[in-house]
Amino acid sequence: DIQVTQSPSSLSASVGDRVTITCRASQRITNSLNWYQQKPGKAPKLLIYTASNLQSGVPSRFSGSGSGTDFSLTISSVQPEDIATYFCQQSHSAPRTFGQGTKLEIK
Amino acid sequence: QVQLVESGGGVVQPGRSLRLSCAASGFTFSKYGMHWVRQAPGKGLEWVAVILYDGSNEYYLDSVKARFTISRDNSKNTLYLQMNSLRAEDTAVYYCAKDLGERWLQFSFDYWGQGSLVTVSS
Repeated sequence: DIQVTQSPSSLSASVGDRVTITCRASQRITNSLNWYQQKPGKAPKLLIYTASNLQSGVPSRFSGSGSGTDFSLTISSVQPEDIATYFCQQSHSAPRTFGQGTKLEIK
Repeated sequence: QVQLVESGGGVVQPGRSLRLSCAASGFTFSKYGMHWVRQAPGKGLEWVAVILYDGSNEYYLDSVKARFTISRDNSKNTLYLQMNSLRAEDTAVYYCAKDLGERWLQFSFDYWGQGSLVTVSS
């Protein structure tokens, strides 16, 4: 199975900060990497698909990059409503696996 | 707007069965693959199963293969997950999720239901 490892597991940022979350796959997965946001008690929401494509309706402060084994999700200017846990997910090979999550808190 | 509404969760004893349903609306259900993804309490996400848009094929997580069956009724816009021989480690919130790709699977989940809690306990 392909393992996807996120870092950091948690981070604290001030409103307006630029934050980056990284995801590393245990083998090359081309650009087959998605990012989701999950707020407490809610279902996940797709933010970015195939590494860098912004899902419809998602604010442009979210962006994704990377290919091969290393990927990142960047929030250019953190807003209070971005408090959530963020998950990456590889869609390259079975079983499609998720990272362990990164919890974003606001200072 | 796309809506996915799960039902059928609850508390069940180990070894027993449960069937989840997911009622879909707001899109052409028969054109999209559909998935079940679960999340154990306080844990991460785990993909469970997928069924192709026309029901012609299904794929499963190894740990649920031969115990769980995913199915769909395109005439009723409804997805199902039949869960047999349930174990304590199957305890989770189960989400149905729509595949992003039309007809062909992308394994990107663009819409999710609200989730249905399944608790396996004696």
